[in-house]
This record gives sequence, structure tokens and C-alpha cells, in this order.
Amino acid sequence: AQKVTQAQTEISVVEKEDVTLDCVYETRDTTYYLFWYKQPPSGELVFLIRRNSFDEQNEISGRYSWNFQKSTSSFNFTITASQVVDSAVYFCALSVDTGRRALTFGSGTRLQVQP
Amino acid sequence: DVKVTQSSRYLVKRTGEKVFLECVQDMDHENMFWYRQDPGLGLRLIYFSYDVKMKEKGDIPEGYSVSREKKERFSLILESASTNQTSMYLCASSHRGLQPQHFGDGTRLSIL
Repeated sequence: AQKVTQAQTEISVVEKEDVTLDCVYETRDTTYYLFWYKQPPSGELVFLIRRNSFDEQNEISGRYSWNFQKSTSSFNFTITASQVVDSAVYFCALSVDTGRRALTFGSGTRLQVQP
Repeated sequence: DVKVTQSSRYLVKRTGEKVFLECVQDMDHENMFWYRQDPGLGLRLIYFSYDVKMKEKGDIPEGYSVSREKKERFSLILESASTNQTSMYLCASSHRGLQPQHFGDGTRLSIL
């Protein structure tokens, strides 16, 4: 069985601060994908990134960066110079290459960026 | 852009009613999913489908059923609605394999 843990329920920062959202996962499968989704107040989930288990390269996209470490089973997400528009709930999710291939989600981290 | 459309943003029903939630996607995706989202629990998988007329149970299928008669449409059915089914329901679709899922806007369902 798969499990995703997002220990931070809620984080509040002031605009322009950097913030890291933690994600720890559990799986016995060797082939899997990790995802991050953003859910703004409007409700729709927006796909941010997918990373497969064989690619441990960090990724940067503008102010967003992701740090994947298989040794600690973590896939952390950092927002640099946060903005009010980053306020949302962020979900980390895992999908494996066997069985049903559906997403297993963490419980989410609510990020509040204050002006 | 992928479009996943859920029939209602908000829905209020009464205990014991049969409730239908509809989801349509326009990208010829093979996979479709229904999740429910509750505070502190994240998203939990109710049912999913890999192809027309195929369905498989997710983590919390009790009290729900699904129908997929056409590739683009995946319906979630609450056979006899109960108050503990008050929740946000999210539909998603994707291509085969471990492709990113695309989500609809969600239906906030209240059972009174």
C-alpha cells in the first residue's frame, strides 16, 4: 500500500519569504511517480509537476523548485519569494506502476501568504 | 487545454435520495476517476475506470456506484444519500499509464 504524508497542515508567511512544503512518501514499488497539485480558493486542482522514481534531478520552474530524495523518501516543494497568489492548498501525490495506478494523496498543506 | 466538466458546482439533496454526479472530459482520456475531498483527509479515491464499461473500486466505494457507458462520461451515483456523504466531489481524467490527472472544478454536495 502507498502512503503520502504532508505533516504541515497550515503555513503562514509574509510576501517575499521563501517557503518549503514537505512531502514524505511510502511505497514498496520501485517504479512510481510523484506529483504536486495546487488547489486555489476557486477549488480546481492544478497540476504542477510530475517526477518519476528514476530521476532524482531537482527541478526549477520560475519561483518553484522541487527536491526529490529517494534516500529519505521525500519530495519537497519550495516557493521562492512567495506572492499572495501562491495562497492555496498544495497536495503531494503518488502513483505506482502496478495495480490501479490511481493517485494516493497527502492531506494537503494550506499556504497563506500575507501581503 | 484539457477540459473536465462536472455538471454542478453546488448541489443540495435530501437523505435517502438517489443522486447523480456527472463528469465529462473532452480529451479522449482512457482513465477517469472520482475522488471525495474532506478537510484533513486530502482526496480519497471512490471509483475509477480504465475503459468504457469498466470500473474498479477505490478506497471508499461503500454507498457509491459508477457508470461509464461512453468514453467521455463518468457518472457517480449515490444510491441512497446519507449525511456522511456531504463532501466535495472531484472528477479527474488522464491518458493511460502514470500520466498527470486533470481535474474538474468539483461539486460541493450537501445532504440534508
